[in-house]
Amino acid sequence: EAQVTQNPRYLITVTGKKLTVTCSQNMNHEYMSWYRQDPGLGLRQIYYSMNVEVTDKGDVPEGYKVSRKEKRNFPLILESPSPNQTSLYFCASGQGAHSNQPQHFGDGTRLSIL
Amino acid sequence: GENVEQHPSTLSVQEGDSAVIKCTYSDSASNYFPWYKQELGKRPQLIIDIRSNVGEKKDQRIAVTLNKTAKHFSLHITETQPEDSAVYFCAASTPDYKLSFGAGTTVTVRA
Repeated sequence: EAQVTQNPRYLITVTGKKLTVTCSQNMNHEYMSWYRQDPGLGLRQIYYSMNVEVTDKGDVPEGYKVSRKEKRNFPLILESPSPNQTSLYFCASGQGAHSNQPQHFGDGTRLSIL
Repeated sequence: GENVEQHPSTLSVQEGDSAVIKCTYSDSASNYFPWYKQELGKRPQLIIDIRSNVGEKKDQRIAVTLNKTAKHFSLHITETQPEDSAVYFCAASTPDYKLSFGAGTTVTVRA
């Protein structure tokens, strides 16, 4: 089954404690990206990657890091989380940002930073 | 960067009527415009998209139109059904593959 898997689904943590949200896709997609979703603001792109070892900043990259060492994995790293990073996070993949194949989203990760 | 505005923020329609959601974008270089549907507590799902070299695209009860000159695009849902109730997001992508979303429209279809 084609899917994008995010872990964890829920996390409550404290300010300053480094955390990583993993994202893995089994469709051999080249394109992967991270978004955060906040009420009234829609989805905002954090980082995206067009292929292995290629990453670019989206609209709201501050406070986040990513890496793309393998095609299937695209982890999101919060080195020193702060309360303003409390949000619902989605990872997505696609064969190409403008391809005819639909972009597949993961189920989301709800982060609470206290 | 790209700025996408979406209207209305909420839309209530009678079952069987049409629903129209409008979006404008600021970056004339944007060349790809997807629409996503997100049901309550679920992940967003791509429902239709359009490229800048196309003016209109239709998929069953859903259609999208693009006016590049005016920098706006719209989603049209005909013969609405209760299962169309969801939050709909428009988005615009620039050639460097940055994707910017509108704030969303909550559509409620009344039975």
